[in-house]
Amino acid sequence: GQQVMQIPQYQHVQEGEDFTTYCNSSTTLSNIQWYKQRPGGHPVFLIQLVKSGEVKKQKRLTFQFGEAKKNSSLHITATQTTDVGTYFCAGGFNKFYFGSGTKLNVKP
Amino acid sequence: DVKVTQSSRYLVKRTGEKVFLECVQDMDHENMFWYRQDPGLGLRLIYFSYDVKMKEKGDIPEGYSVSREKKERFSLILESASTNQTSMYLCASSLISGGDEQFFGPGTRLTVL
Repeated sequence: GQQVMQIPQYQHVQEGEDFTTYCNSSTTLSNIQWYKQRPGGHPVFLIQLVKSGEVKKQKRLTFQFGEAKKNSSLHITATQTTDVGTYFCAGGFNKFYFGSGTKLNVKP
Repeated sequence: DVKVTQSSRYLVKRTGEKVFLECVQDMDHENMFWYRQDPGLGLRLIYFSYDVKMKEKGDIPEGYSVSREKKERFSLILESASTNQTSMYLCASSLISGGDEQFFGPGTRLTVL
């Protein structure tokens, strides 16, 4: 079945450094969503991208959807300790699939 | 704000027991989902429902069943719990399927001994 692959699995950064997580699918996605799960918490919706080549920003977070609608990325500029958590992408066409997540740790 | 609640945060059961996990949402959402979350595997869809009494299998339905008798309530049933069903179970709801944000409940950490 369709899978959404996400890399890296873990990322440790120093506060102030940038962070990027990547999401890839073997098939075209109708849309892609990003969620954040804080330690001990549940996934919380961040954003949805629908259009080919779409780029959206939320403060220090930049989300991109590839031209072929098969990949996406989340980039955080100048990480802060509040960015700690696991970031999931989720996408599909008829069915929705979650990536395995990237766990971000930020050292102060 | 949408609120999705789950009946228990922590649950300990014995192998072979029948286990019920309940989920309730208060925003009149059409769609409800059950996932399990295991380290390194992300969220895997067990079952989802797009209407009352309607259900669809997700990626890992074996060993599970579901019930949706009322729009706001979606139950996950483990017919005969096994140790490999020890996991975090997350319920979610959304207004429409596939293209709408999902609102998650706090999760139930189930341990099967």
